[in-house]
Amino acid sequence: QKEVEQDPGPLSVPEGAIVSLNCTYSNSAFQYFMWYRQYSRKGPELLMYTYSSGNKEDGRFTAQVDKSSKYISLFIRDSQPSDSATYLCAMMSLNFNKFYFGSGTKLNVKP
Amino acid sequence: DVKVTQSSRYLVKRTGEKVFLECVQDMDHENMFWYRQDPGLGLRLIYFSYDVKMKEKGDIPEGYSVSREKKERFSLILESASTNQTSMYLCATLVRDRASSPLHFGNGTRLTVT
Repeated sequence: QKEVEQDPGPLSVPEGAIVSLNCTYSNSAFQYFMWYRQYSRKGPELLMYTYSSGNKEDGRFTAQVDKSSKYISLFIRDSQPSDSATYLCAMMSLNFNKFYFGSGTKLNVKP
Repeated sequence: DVKVTQSSRYLVKRTGEKVFLECVQDMDHENMFWYRQDPGLGLRLIYFSYDVKMKEKGDIPEGYSVSREKKERFSLILESASTNQTSMYLCATLVRDRASSPLHFGNGTRLTVT
């Protein structure tokens, strides 16, 4: 079983839709959770960074962590064509010197 | 803003060549990492370094070596390039206090070995 599971998509939505991206994980020791956005032929760019459970909001983006279910989500409100990219989740425990990444979900927002 | 610069965006090399990929960061971060990214396999850690002249193997170090002579520079070396090393290579940095910082990535080097 992989440490982090993420549906690869692709996910295609119309402009203005609410997008929900998700990852599940198996290691209850993970404490830090990240979402990265990666445009084609570019490196991953950090979008959201959260510690432990709860929600964090930044503009149109909201990150949620549910540690009891080992499930994290990224919501994008009022999605734009410029949001079309691959979204990677990542997580880490302070006890490990390692980040674990999902394989990425490809999102296409149609004008 | 953190700036992680990879010296080449695209490289084409021949099988058997020695290849150097360079990464420079401007934030005085102690920790630096090399990943490769392949479709369906995601990001895989090759090597990382906690400090100058220190290095640790990641999950897939075979066929690679690294060098960290200065804090700001971390080099990945393919001793004898092979076609299965065709990939996107990503450098990343992290401050020592991990509680306050996630990984920051460069823009990647897309290497093709023919």
